[in-house]
Amino acid sequence: GEDVEQSLFLSVREGDSSVINCTYTDSSSTYLYWYKQEPGAGLQLLTYIFSNMDMKQDQRLTVLLNKKDKHLSLRIADTQTGDSAIYFCAETFTGGGNKLTFGTGTQLKVEL
Amino acid sequence: NAGVTQTPKFQVLKTGQSMTLQCAQDMNHEYMSWYRQDPGMGLRLIHYSVGAGITDQGEVPNGYNVSRSTTEDFPLRLLSAAPSQTSVYFCASRGEDDEKLFFGSGTQLSVL
Repeated sequence: GEDVEQSLFLSVREGDSSVINCTYTDSSSTYLYWYKQEPGAGLQLLTYIFSNMDMKQDQRLTVLLNKKDKHLSLRIADTQTGDSAIYFCAETFTGGGNKLTFGTGTQLKVEL
Repeated sequence: NAGVTQTPKFQVLKTGQSMTLQCAQDMNHEYMSWYRQDPGMGLRLIHYSVGAGITDQGEVPNGYNVSRSTTEDFPLRLLSAAPSQTSVYFCASRGEDDEKLFFGSGTQLSVL
């Protein structure tokens, strides 16, 4: 079955870049997503990439997709304290209907 | 638009009690789903629905029932609560041709 993995924690200094990584196993992925969850809140979609793309940039966010290695990353430039949250990657895949498979989430802590 | 609305925000149950978690969306979305979030396990799909009158099981359906009598509402029922069902529950919806999943703010459930 499909499996999505992330490291659990990342700590960066304010102003530095953050890179959050995700690996997945299903080669038939169609869309890959990054969601942000702030404390006590639901998940907010940050960005997504279609599986035939290898990069997408949206202001401070850059998504890189390496299909060969089944590796997805989210780079946050000039990380701010407001970026402290849990970040989830997720995928949909061919034959999976509308279902998303989520990673375990990476807790990003931004220190002054 | 209110988006996806979940009630209640918090609930404490005793083992064996029953209750219904409510979810409503006002975006005319066909697809709705329930996830549970547990530490270190990401989000796991409980049940989902692709339209009124149609429901299907997700990854962890045992102990939960759902129904979809209208497009707007997708309640999740716990018939006999167990401590293993202590979790944060999220409802989500998506339009038919939309890649983005919209989440409610969650229900924190404790079963004693």
